[in-house]
Amino acid sequence: EAGVAQSPRYKIIEKRQSVAFWCNPISGHATLYWYQQILGQGPKLLIQFQNNGVVDDSQLPKDRFSAERLKGVDSTLKIQPAKLEDSAVYLCASSPRVGLAGELFFGEGSRLTVL
Amino acid sequence: RKEVEQDPGPFNVPEGATVAFNCTYSNSASQSFFWYRQDCRKEPKLLMSVYSSGNEDGRFTAQLNRASQYISLLIRDSKLSDSATYLCVVHRSGSARQLTFGSGTQLTVLP
Repeated sequence: EAGVAQSPRYKIIEKRQSVAFWCNPISGHATLYWYQQILGQGPKLLIQFQNNGVVDDSQLPKDRFSAERLKGVDSTLKIQPAKLEDSAVYLCASSPRVGLAGELFFGEGSRLTVL
Repeated sequence: RKEVEQDPGPFNVPEGATVAFNCTYSNSASQSFFWYRQDCRKEPKLLMSVYSSGNEDGRFTAQLNRASQYISLLIRDSKLSDSATYLCVVHRSGSARQLTFGSGTQLTVLP
């Protein structure tokens, strides 16, 4: 079974530039998550989708971050404009269970460096 | 106070040692608990769920103390391959933020 696919794996940009990350979850997984993991910290949820609807985006900095999952399958996360503190690994995860209480399957992450 | 707190370590132990990690959570409404493992520069992966009665998976034992609101992970007979960061995860159903990760405890097993 193919895992969660993310791209690009690495991105270096200057502050105030924009960047987009893509995620394709495991086939059939209804729930998709974007997490931000800053070095030395645990993953922090940015946004959670159930199919193509947003379940939770309370921690998404909406002035600069946006995410969509238009057809309920793959998803993009965009940052515009980027700040230095956005340097982190952006992890996409999916789960087969509605409402979750179990295993999340993570992609390898997209590592962003903002200079 | 953070919703999930862990001792960041690092824990440096010799091979064969027994090591224990604790995690405390602040919300008594939390319902499910998990330990994830994250290797250096890799993604987190589920290690084990934590059940009220305690559960064991080979060399790993997880326990939950709801009264004191803490979760523990015990690793017996440590192997070099156990070196990783161990993330405590707490789930609250019905909450907008359902899964909360701790900052992780770093373990290095030394030869």
